[in-house]
Amino acid sequence: DAGVIQSPRHEVTEMGQEVTLRCKLISGHNSLFWYRQTMMRGLELLIYFNNNVPIDDSGMPEDRFSAKMPNASFSTLKIQPSEPRDSAVYFCASRYSQGGEQYFGPGTRLTVT
Amino acid sequence: QKEVEQNSGPLSVPEGAIASLNCTYSDRGSQSFFWYRQYSGKSPELIMSIYSNGDKEDGRFTAQLNKASQYVSLLIRDSQPSDSATYLCAVNPYSSASKIIFGSGTRLSIRP
Repeated sequence: DAGVIQSPRHEVTEMGQEVTLRCKLISGHNSLFWYRQTMMRGLELLIYFNNNVPIDDSGMPEDRFSAKMPNASFSTLKIQPSEPRDSAVYFCASRYSQGGEQYFGPGTRLTVT
Repeated sequence: QKEVEQNSGPLSVPEGAIASLNCTYSDRGSQSFFWYRQYSGKSPELIMSIYSNGDKEDGRFTAQLNKASQYVSLLIRDSQPSDSATYLCAVNPYSSASKIIFGSGTRLSIRP
């Protein structure tokens, strides 16, 4: 079975542009998590969904960030407008059951110039 | 106090020795505990999960959990250079059973 799939793997964009990151969950999983990782701040949870419903978005840095889960297997994280400080690796992870293991996708390395 | 604390390292261990990685957590009611390995430039990879007090062994890896002391550890026997990575401790807190809290990671270096 395929693991968590993320696209694009690398994104370079200019400040002010819109960025959309995509994630496909492992089949049968019902929870999705978006993380951001930087050297300075480590791995930060941005938002997570259970059964397509956003449960906790307290980690979303500001209104420029938004996330959606239009169906049970797919999610997007959008940054509009992007800023250089958004440069990081963005991971999504999925999970089958509450309290169970999370499995990470390969990540999207975002560079905003 | 951080919810999940780890020594950032680097921890340097000679090849063939036992590497011991430690983690403490603040939520006494936490039920699920995980160790992830992250190579530079890669995503975190789950290597062990533990749910009850005691030891759990999987190949060269042993996870140890002591809920009374709020302490979880990972032992790597017969350390290999390929074990050099950052190890992230993660805890599913009672206060928010839906999410996992990650420590900042311990960087492990196995020297030949």
